[in-house]
Amino acid sequence: SQTIHQWPATLVQPVGSPLSLECTVEGTSNPNLYWYRQAAGRGLQLLFYSVGIGQISSEVPQNLSASRPQDRQFILSSKKLLLSDSGFYLCAWGDFYEQYFGPGTRLTVT
Amino acid sequence: DQQVKQNSPSLSVQEGRISILNCDYTNSMFDYFLWYKKYPAEGPTFLISISSIKDKNEDGRFTVFLNKSAKHLSLHIVPSQPGDSAVYFCAASVGEYGNKLVFGAGTILRVKS
Repeated sequence: SQTIHQWPATLVQPVGSPLSLECTVEGTSNPNLYWYRQAAGRGLQLLFYSVGIGQISSEVPQNLSASRPQDRQFILSSKKLLLSDSGFYLCAWGDFYEQYFGPGTRLTVT
Repeated sequence: DQQVKQNSPSLSVQEGRISILNCDYTNSMFDYFLWYKKYPAEGPTFLISISSIKDKNEDGRFTVFLNKSAKHLSLHIVPSQPGDSAVYFCAASVGEYGNKLVFGAGTILRVKS
């Protein structure tokens, strides 16, 4: 069966510091991979998606970036965090129409 | 521009009764619809989906209805249980490159025992 891992579970970072969130998927090959953010009291906003290694599409212009160095690894990064980057970050993998989410990372930028 | 709308921020239902969660969409190109359930501090869990070629899909206590002419779908939970208390998200897909999902803002369901 497929499993998706995200770490860390929680993170508190000062403004201006870098960010690296990692997501890995097990049990499937060449999945579509996604990064979402849920701001407090709001829905899920798609940030990036990837249909293959090195193929990244950005949905929202911002100071975040994503990379897919391996088939089942997806990384969300920032060089300098903003207060507005606080939120709940979710990685997901896709199989045809459905998407399946990881446990999420709670990021607080102080 | 909100293409997927869940106009009820919250819903409270008595245990054993029916819960009906609603979702409206504006993009007529959407051809697949999904419902997710989310507990606090956890990732959303896929619940049930429906293709645009159907008007109903049932899985146990969960049934999703699609009314394409009204661009409306609903999730029925019967009977409702306290463990169903969570945030429910409606999502839609146009099946394009990358298969992106567009999510609604979510509805908080509280099932009272």
